[in-house]
Amino acid sequence: AQTVTQSQPEMSVQEAETVTLSCTYDTSENNYYLFWYKQPPSRQMILVIRQEAYKQQNATENRFSVNFQKAAKSFSLKISDSQLGDTAMYFCAFIPSNTGKLIFGQGTTLQVKP
Amino acid sequence: KAGVTQTPRYLIKTRGQQVTLSCSPISGHRSVSWYQQTPGQGLQFLFEYFSETQRNKGNFPGRFSGRQFSNSRSEMNVSTLELGDSALYLCASSRTSGGNTDTQYFGPGTRLTVL
Repeated sequence: AQTVTQSQPEMSVQEAETVTLSCTYDTSENNYYLFWYKQPPSRQMILVIRQEAYKQQNATENRFSVNFQKAAKSFSLKISDSQLGDTAMYFCAFIPSNTGKLIFGQGTTLQVKP
Repeated sequence: KAGVTQTPRYLIKTRGQQVTLSCSPISGHRSVSWYQQTPGQGLQFLFEYFSETQRNKGNFPGRFSGRQFSNSRSEMNVSTLELGDSALYLCASSRTSGGNTDTQYFGPGTRLTVL
């Protein structure tokens, strides 16, 4: 079965600090993309960062970076210099071939405290 | 470039009624996927349309249906509404279909409340 697991339902971090959200997944495919999406309270889900599985280099987007361990099927998201606007639910996801369907984890609710 | 748009943003219906939701993808995107989001079940895939054809379908009853037009806009219809259909309905668009390297971009969602 192709699954995504986020083991941290809730996390909190102080403003300006660094936090890491965990994600593990299971797939037998070799080439795929992994995603982190952010959904602020009552707001739109947006793409935070994308990792191509065939690339060894970890993706980075400004304050957001990933630690991608393909063999371990681990895909964690690191948020540096956390800001109040980072408060949101974060979803880890990937798309199996020929499904058109994102497989999402259960989500991690992150609260950034002032 | 404009993002994915969904209309209406909010809907209140009563049990037994039907509802139609609309989604306009990003220009140049030909695939539209629909998801239902609820606190209890999380994000669940409804179906995907590409080139006016349903390519994939999730595990929802036949009361949930959709279609896609030649301009890639998509509509989702739910007939005989039930209380459990209350949810946030999200659509997402991507350039292509079928690959595992497609990137989906989401609209703001339609919040459906069934009374």
